[in-house]
Amino acid sequence: AQSVTQLGSHVSVSEGALVLLRCNYSSSVPPYLFWYVQYPNQGLQLLLKYTSAATLVKGINGFEAEFKKSETSFHLTKPSAHMSDAAEYFCAVTPRGNYQLIWGAGTKLIIKP
Amino acid sequence: DSGVTQTPKHLITATGQRVTLRCSPRSGDLSVYWYQQSLDQGLQFLIQYYNGEERAKGNILERFSAQQFPDLHSELNLSSLELGDSALYFCASSVAGPVDTQYFGPGTRLTVL
Repeated sequence: AQSVTQLGSHVSVSEGALVLLRCNYSSSVPPYLFWYVQYPNQGLQLLLKYTSAATLVKGINGFEAEFKKSETSFHLTKPSAHMSDAAEYFCAVTPRGNYQLIWGAGTKLIIKP
Repeated sequence: DSGVTQTPKHLITATGQRVTLRCSPRSGDLSVYWYQQSLDQGLQFLIQYYNGEERAKGNILERFSAQQFPDLHSELNLSSLELGDSALYFCASSVAGPVDTQYFGPGTRLTVL
């Protein structure tokens, strides 16, 4: 069965530093891939998605992610962290021909001043 | 504001009871999804409806049921409630399938005492 692994339940970076949140999926056929963000006490919001166009996907708030088929990865990056980026980030996949999102466990991003 | 509304925001009830959670999708969206978020199990997809028909089923217990009405709003019914059903329940909507951006409501926090 398809699964999603997010490495690190908590990631801490200094303000202005690079943000790197890792996501790996388990599938021989590349699925559709998503990153969602959840701010405290709020619902989730789509950051970006990969649906088999360009492998480097740009999203909102300066985030981007690169799909690497050989590594079955879809890591999320942002060149310079801002205090407002503190939130929980979820990677999710939809297998092709399927209708449900399969979620990673989430990574809490902590920004140090 | 995602445009998805959920009521009620909070619900406190006792074990063995039955509750109904309500969701109104964004204008123009035909698909509605229900998710459960808990500390133990993370985010779990429960069920998806598309234009009134059930399209996909995830980890939804038999004690839970849902429906989507002709006006496209949806209800999630939870019965014979157990302590372990305490969680945040999110509704999301999209134009059609899960590859489309899903817009999440603010959630209903259910506490079973």
